[in-house]
Amino acid sequence: DTGVSQDPRHKITKRGQNVTFRCDPISEHNRLYWYRQTLGQGPEFLTYFQNEAQLEKSRLLSDRFSAERPKGSFSTLEIQRTEQGDSAMYLCASSRGALEGDTQYFGPGTRLTVL
Amino acid sequence: SQQGEEDPQALSIQEGENATMNCSYKTSINNLQWYRQNSGRGLVHLILIRSNEREKHSGRLRVTLDTSKKSSSLLITASRAADTASYFCATDALGSKPSYNFNKFYFGSGTKLNVKP
Repeated sequence: DTGVSQDPRHKITKRGQNVTFRCDPISEHNRLYWYRQTLGQGPEFLTYFQNEAQLEKSRLLSDRFSAERPKGSFSTLEIQRTEQGDSAMYLCASSRGALEGDTQYFGPGTRLTVL
Repeated sequence: SQQGEEDPQALSIQEGENATMNCSYKTSINNLQWYRQNSGRGLVHLILIRSNEREKHSGRLRVTLDTSKKSSSLLITASRAADTASYFCATDALGSKPSYNFNKFYFGSGTKLNVKP
C-alpha cells in the first residue's frame, strides 16, 4: 500500500524561474488537495480537485499558480515567475471523501527555496 | 484567518509524562482531526473526532471535543522521545459551493512538543 508521493522533495530556483511539482495520490482516492506551509505555521489550503475537476481555489493562489489533474490521477502544481515569497513547503493530500470524514493523507512535501 | 488554534505553542516534558494540547476554533464543524508532523516532513493523521462525539481513544492518544466551547484537547499518555513533533488540529468548513460537498481544512499553527529522554 503506497501513500501519497511528491516529486521533487526539494527544489532550489532563482527568482523569475518557473517550477513544477508533481503529486501522486493514493490510487483509490478521488479527492486531491494542495497546501502551502511556511516555517512555524500550519498548512494553508490552496486548491482542491475531485477527480479531474478543480472545484475550489484559495485567494492565496495568484495568477502565477496553476494546478492540473488531467486524468484524475496525478496532479501538478506550477508556479510561474517565482518570487522569494513563494519559498515554502508545498504539501499534497488525498482523500476518499465523506466516508472517512474526509480524512486527508499527506505526502512528504516539496520544499521550494527561491533565491 | 485560520480556524483552529493550538495551545500551548510549545511544550517540553520528560519521557513518561503526559502531554496535553488544546485546540480552539471559531465556527461550527463537522469533524476535527489531529495530525502530527515531524520536522521537515509531511503530516501524519492521528485521529478524527466527529462533532457528535465527545471523546475518542487510539492507543496512547485521547481526544476530547466540546462543541459548546468550540475546543478540543489531545492527550498523549506515557510520552516517548519519538513523540517529539509538531501537533496540529484541523477543522473543516464547507467549500465555497456546498453542493461540492467537500471540506476545506483549516490548520492552526501547531503545538511543538519536545519529549526529553
